[in-house]
Amino acid sequence: KQEVTQIPAALSVPEGENLVLNCSFTDSAIYNLQWFRQDPGKGLTSLLLIQSSQREQTSGRLNASLDKSSGRSTLYIAASQPGDSATYLCAVRPRTHHSGAGSYQLTFGKGTKLSVIP
Amino acid sequence: NAGVTQTPKFRILKIGQSMTLQCAQDMNHNYMYWYRQDPGMGLKLIYYSVGAGITDKGEVPNGYNVSRSTTEDFPLRLELAAPSQTSVYFCASSSGTVSSYEQYFGPGTRLTVT
Repeated sequence: KQEVTQIPAALSVPEGENLVLNCSFTDSAIYNLQWFRQDPGKGLTSLLLIQSSQREQTSGRLNASLDKSSGRSTLYIAASQPGDSATYLCAVRPRTHHSGAGSYQLTFGKGTKLSVIP
Repeated sequence: NAGVTQTPKFRILKIGQSMTLQCAQDMNHNYMYWYRQDPGMGLKLIYYSVGAGITDKGEVPNGYNVSRSTTEDFPLRLELAAPSQTSVYFCASSSGTVSSYEQYFGPGTRLTVT
């Protein structure tokens, strides 16, 4: 069964610092990996989607990498700002050989809660 | 373009009551999903749909039912509410092929069963 782990559970950094959030998964047979941001009491906002054939994706100050063979992804945030404070979730879509929920569901990590201190 | 919308935002139910959580999307997505998020846990899939008239169970379907009569709407029904169903419920939608599509989430419904 696919398991996704995000370490650390919480991270506090001063404003302006570059930081890396980590995500690891146990089964390298995936279609893609998606990074989300969740603000308190809010829904999930998709940040980046990396296909299994890709090594990285970039959007503004965010860069996500994927090393499928080692079961790892990182989300790099450059020049962090207080507005980046949120919980960041990593999710993978397992690659299955049959139809059913396994083909469609995302397996989520528990998230890393980021606080950027002004 | 509102994306994925959910109503209500908050609800308190008594044990044994029933309710329907509403979800709608205006992106003409074929795929729709219901997840629940418990404190300190990752999201878990309750039900999903690959198109109007087609639904199937996810990882944690017990105590829930769904229907999909239109492309836009995907309501989630709780028949006999139990305290274990206290959670935050998220609806999501996606389009594209199975290997490439990106999921978009609604703002969530926070449900408390007492």
